[in-house]
Amino acid sequence: DAKTTQPNSMESNEEEPVHLPCNHSTISGTDYIHWYRQLPSQGPEYVIHGLTSNVNNRMASLAIAEDRKSSTLILHRATLRDAAVYYCLKPSNTGKLIFGQGTTLQVKP
Amino acid sequence: ETGVTQSPTHLIKTRGQQVTLRCSSQSGHNTVSWYQQALGQGPQFIFQYYREEENGRGNFPPRFSGLQFPNYSSELNVNALELDDSALYLCATRRDRGSYNEQFFGPGTRLTVL
Repeated sequence: DAKTTQPNSMESNEEEPVHLPCNHSTISGTDYIHWYRQLPSQGPEYVIHGLTSNVNNRMASLAIAEDRKSSTLILHRATLRDAAVYYCLKPSNTGKLIFGQGTTLQVKP
Repeated sequence: ETGVTQSPTHLIKTRGQQVTLRCSSQSGHNTVSWYQQALGQGPQFIFQYYREEENGRGNFPPRFSGLQFPNYSSELNVNALELDDSALYLCATRRDRGSYNEQFFGPGTRLTVL
């Protein structure tokens, strides 16, 4: 199962953009990249996923490098409610999610 | 709100006992996965069910077992509880077993083993 690598923690100021990086150098051509986040005392929450092209939804944008070995989750305007652990994941072909430590995002007012 | 519910929310058991945790999936979701999350760690995959059949298993002993019912709700059973089984147990459902499908997590069941 391919692993992903993320920084342990990041800080942001409220209402500023946040760029959360992820390396997935062993990804194969048909592997999707998923991002989930986990707020305190809650189950993980789906954020966004993509294959090759950049993706946007109401929560975030996902920028995938041309060689697909890295991606960046972009929160356009961080709010205090965005403080969470963000996980970059590559599901196995059966859909199993392998969670690492993720990136703990702190948002300062 | 993901539409995935789990019961109970909290549970306290003693070593050697058995426990059953339940998960109701979002409508139309035929695939359910169970995860164990120890304090301060990311969730660890236990197993997955697709249309009532086990469809993948993580590195957990056989005393962790499961069921999926025709309505796609699911149970996780743990026998002979150990202290290390204390964790948050999460279920996640999705509309099909494909890896591209987003997964919807429930709020979890917090199990404490004394």
